[in-house]
Amino acid sequence: DAGVIQSPRHEVTEMGQEVTLRCKPISGHNSLFWYRQTMMRGLELLIYFNNNVPIDDSGMPEDRFSAKMPNASFSTLKIQPSEPRDSAVYFCASSLDGGRTDTQYFGPGTRLTVL
Amino acid sequence: DAKTTQPPSMDCAEGRAANLPCNHSTISGNEYVYWYRQIHSQGPQYIIHGLKNNETNEMASLIITEDRKSSTLILPHATLRDTAVYYCIVRVAGGATNKLIFGTGTLLAVQP
Repeated sequence: DAGVIQSPRHEVTEMGQEVTLRCKPISGHNSLFWYRQTMMRGLELLIYFNNNVPIDDSGMPEDRFSAKMPNASFSTLKIQPSEPRDSAVYFCASSLDGGRTDTQYFGPGTRLTVL
Repeated sequence: DAKTTQPPSMDCAEGRAANLPCNHSTISGNEYVYWYRQIHSQGPQYIIHGLKNNETNEMASLIITEDRKSSTLILPHATLRDTAVYYCIVRVAGGATNKLIFGTGTLLAVQP
């Protein structure tokens, strides 16, 4: 299996622009997670989905952030409009809910820089 | 989920065992101890988890004290590639809120 796939790996944009991050979870996994990592705040959970339904979005910082999971094999995290403080590495992870370990498998991340 | 306390950093000589401690004095009876690590510029990676008994897999061993208030992750023969931040997390496995809360972790530096 290819593991969790994220694109793009790097994104540089200007303040005010829309940014869309993409994630393809591991085939057969039914939970998907979006995390953000910064030096100041560490790794934070933004939102997670179970069977394509958002379960907990309490970590989404504000209305500028939105996430969708239209099907079991694809999810997006959108920031509109982007701001310099959104600069971070964004990770997507997936897991097989109900599996013995509930192990989360992380993607390589998208490094976002907002100028 | 219960909170955990880990030392911010540790050193270990290559080839020696690395013992990473974690305190979780408020752990509940149904909470598991999970360990993940994050190598620089990569996503976190699952290592091992346990409830009460000691566990071992191809990566590491997990020793949980009898009162479950602390645990130790053991890398039996550390290599330079084991240099990473190690996170100890306690949570209910398979619970309704299937999420990980990452703390600040321990930066393990394996020295040649």
